[in-house]
Amino acid sequence: GESVGLHLPTLSVQEGDNSIINCAYSNSASDYFIWYKQESGKGPQFIIDIRSNMDKRQGQRVTVLLNKTVKHLSLQIAATQPGDSAVYFCAENKWGAQKLVFGQGTRLTINP
Amino acid sequence: EAGVTQFPSHSVIEKGQTVTLRCDPISGHDNLYWYRRVMGKEIKFLLHFVKESKQDESGMPNNRFLAERTGGTYSTLKVQPAELEDSGVYFCASSQGSGDNQPQHFGDGTRLSIL
Repeated sequence: GESVGLHLPTLSVQEGDNSIINCAYSNSASDYFIWYKQESGKGPQFIIDIRSNMDKRQGQRVTVLLNKTVKHLSLQIAATQPGDSAVYFCAENKWGAQKLVFGQGTRLTINP
Repeated sequence: EAGVTQFPSHSVIEKGQTVTLRCDPISGHDNLYWYRRVMGKEIKFLLHFVKESKQDESGMPNNRFLAERTGGTYSTLKVQPAELEDSGVYFCASSQGSGDNQPQHFGDGTRLSIL
């Protein structure tokens, strides 16, 4: 399944499928991007980050893609599991300005 | 390694009262941040400490909010007097060192309800 970032806040996928969560950012000066996962009652949990000198970075079951031309960021989760159900946030900042600017978030639901 | 811890986890107070939130960052992290999420809105930056100094407080909403980090370890965020619109979840985060960007690690937040 695939979402359209900030304007589609929910995404449902079948367990075992791959999911793609999208995020559009507005500040062309942003050069550092992070994906966070937030479960109910918990704080945002760091998943993966990417700097603007890269266009792809892989972690364990997750891949982040950055397209600076269209200011677009995506998070791919492979072989989704029930524990992946959460709200996912993208966040950005500019080197030298440490504050993060968060997106609205996308709620990912994994169906059995 | 202990993560970022925040206290209390919940606070319910009446309008006009004072509340103090506490954050203990990850040991050794010089950078400490406060953020908040009010109902229906995205998480927004409040301020940033480097050790005991305020590096950026551009997100503080007004002078009813006072953040301190005496000694450069834990931080407190005081709201005095609290107003209804202050309700929300207040998050603290910390990160290592200086220079290149480092990921910020968040606590579980304090849920503040103003009645």
